[in-house]
Amino acid sequence: DAKTTQPPSMDCAEGRAANLPCNHSTISGNEYVYWYRQIHSQGPQYIIHGLKNNETNEMASLIITEDRKSSTLILPHATLRDTAVYYCIVRLTGNQFYFGTGTSLTVIP
Amino acid sequence: EAQVTQNPRYLITVTGKKLTVTCSQNMNHEYMSWYRQDPGLGLRQIYYSMNVEVTDKGDVPEGYKVSRKEKRNFPLILESPSPNQTSLYFCASSLWAVGAYSNQPQHFGDGTRLSIL
Repeated sequence: DAKTTQPPSMDCAEGRAANLPCNHSTISGNEYVYWYRQIHSQGPQYIIHGLKNNETNEMASLIITEDRKSSTLILPHATLRDTAVYYCIVRLTGNQFYFGTGTSLTVIP
Repeated sequence: EAQVTQNPRYLITVTGKKLTVTCSQNMNHEYMSWYRQDPGLGLRQIYYSMNVEVTDKGDVPEGYKVSRKEKRNFPLILESPSPNQTSLYFCASSLWAVGAYSNQPQHFGDGTRLSIL
């Protein structure tokens, strides 16, 4: 089953880029990688997803390595409101999703 | 407004007293799912449903039941709650293309905090 590994915590200075890595070495060739974040105990919020190519939207950029074994979520100019737990998610066999424990990002003033 | 609505938001109850947490979505989504979140364990999937009358077990289905009689509703049922089911629960939904790998993100509700004494 494809699962993910993320560092438990990271800090980032306000205004700087936050780069959050995720390892998903067992992902299959046609599965997407999704990123969500959760602020306090609110419902997870969708950020971005991708398959092979790098993706960018108004919230973030997603860089996926060519072998698809890892990806990096980039918040280009982190603000205090970006302090949250960030989850990298893949789909397991069948139609289950694996969230893991995520990375707790703290943006420091 | 597109949303996933869970009720109740908070519930304190006692061991063995059956309870139901409701989940409703207004986006005509095929896929719906329940997750529980516990400290240090992240979100774990309990059950999911691909469409009406189609449900499947996730990672941690023991002690839970679900039903999908209508597309918009996906209630989570605890027939005989126990203290180890004290947790924060989230319902989610997404579009799902039959016969294809879905790339649609899930929309989450605001959560239900259950305490079972």
